Amino acid sequence: DSGVTQTPKHLITATGQRVTLRCSPRSGDLSVYWYQQSLDQGLQFLIQYYNGEERAKGNILERFSAQQFPDLHSELNLSSLELGDSALYFCASSVATADRVEQYFGPGTRLTVT
Amino acid sequence: ELKVEQNPLFLSMQEGKNYTIYCNYSTTSDRLYWYRQDPGKSLESLFVLLSNGAVKQEGRLMASLDTKARLSTLHITAAVHDLSATYFCAVEETSGSRLTFGEGTQLTVNP
Repeated sequence: DSGVTQTPKHLITATGQRVTLRCSPRSGDLSVYWYQQSLDQGLQFLIQYYNGEERAKGNILERFSAQQFPDLHSELNLSSLELGDSALYFCASSVATADRVEQYFGPGTRLTVT
Repeated sequence: ELKVEQNPLFLSMQEGKNYTIYCNYSTTSDRLYWYRQDPGKSLESLFVLLSNGAVKQEGRLMASLDTKARLSTLHITAAVHDLSATYFCAVEETSGSRLTFGEGTQLTVNP
């Protein structure tokens, strides 16, 4: 158990809908990262937040957005869902202030768009 | 743009044999990670390599990093079935930044 929690574990929804994925980082970790894992794209970085502020953006679609709240939990919002958005979405957290900034991954949310 | 390439992508080996997975990356970095993923599961951290020449060993797995060659290796010694999984290397360009992952190596160890 990495200490990172994600909810829900599974999500099945229809095209055009909107969903919210939630992540709680390890205690004391200020940085949260979101990654998407799909069969055709592999593991891709989406976005990073550090202490409530957006720090870096990767290949995140405009239909997707995220935020990190004062209690450091983060939410990833996916809207106007398409079949191709079906994937495993991981959240990771790290301290991000020390030399050793290993990222610890949560269990993931499996999103299926039908 | 940082690119990370692993090979082989698929590896089927017999128990008791040795093999090496290679991870090449395209930019200067001395921060490389190896993860293991079982089907449908999360990523489990195996090794953190933070300097040129770093070598880490855990059980039948040993990882090394050559930053000048931009190459990391994951060596498997006397493979056992429990090592069957997908192994990813990931490169971090600077401390605290995003991870760029390789494609993953799907390892199957046959009895």
